Amino acid sequence: EDQVTQSPEALRLQEGESSSLNCSYTVSGLRGLFWYRQDPGKGPEFLFTLYSAGEEKEKERLKATLTKKESFLHITAPKPEDSATYLCAVVGSSNTGKLIFGQGTTLQVKP
Amino acid sequence: EAQVTQNPRYLITVTGKKLTVTCSQNMNHEYMSWYRQDPGLGLRQIYYSMNVEVTDKGDVPEGYKVSRKEKRNFPLILESPSPNQTSLYFCASRGLGTDTQYFGPGTRLTVL
Repeated sequence: EDQVTQSPEALRLQEGESSSLNCSYTVSGLRGLFWYRQDPGKGPEFLFTLYSAGEEKEKERLKATLTKKESFLHITAPKPEDSATYLCAVVGSSNTGKLIFGQGTTLQVKP
Repeated sequence: EAQVTQNPRYLITVTGKKLTVTCSQNMNHEYMSWYRQDPGLGLRQIYYSMNVEVTDKGDVPEGYKVSRKEKRNFPLILESPSPNQTSLYFCASRGLGTDTQYFGPGTRLTVL
């Protein structure tokens, strides 16, 4: 069964304190791994798609990496506006296009 | 602006009173999908549609119906809502040749 596990559940950082969020996955035939940002009461906002092990994507203070079993979202020198829940999801080879989501990591960055 | 829109954004209703949540996208996407988000359970797919007149069940379809008569619209229908359908609902869409889905702003539904 396809499954995504994110850790930690919650993370509190001081502004400027870099850290990483983890996403472990098991999926039959990975077609893509996705990172989304979700603010309270809003829809998930697309950040990155990763397709194969070794791939990396960057956007401002965020960098996503992918191995055969997990993905990391590195946050460098975070700011309070980076506070949000970060969701990881995978699409497998079932061809329905269904996103399998993890529970998310809620990040709080204090000034 | 490319976007997915949902209406209503908030809805409080009573058990058994039929309701429809609308979803529309302006990106000419073939694939559309509905998810529900619940604390501790995350986001789960309800139904999806590969194109006009083509729909299929996701992981939690019980109690829901959908239709896809036009490419841009994908309404979610609750024929007889029950309290266990109280949730935050999201519509999403994607184009051909990509697996990246774009989400709407959400509809918070409370069934009393």
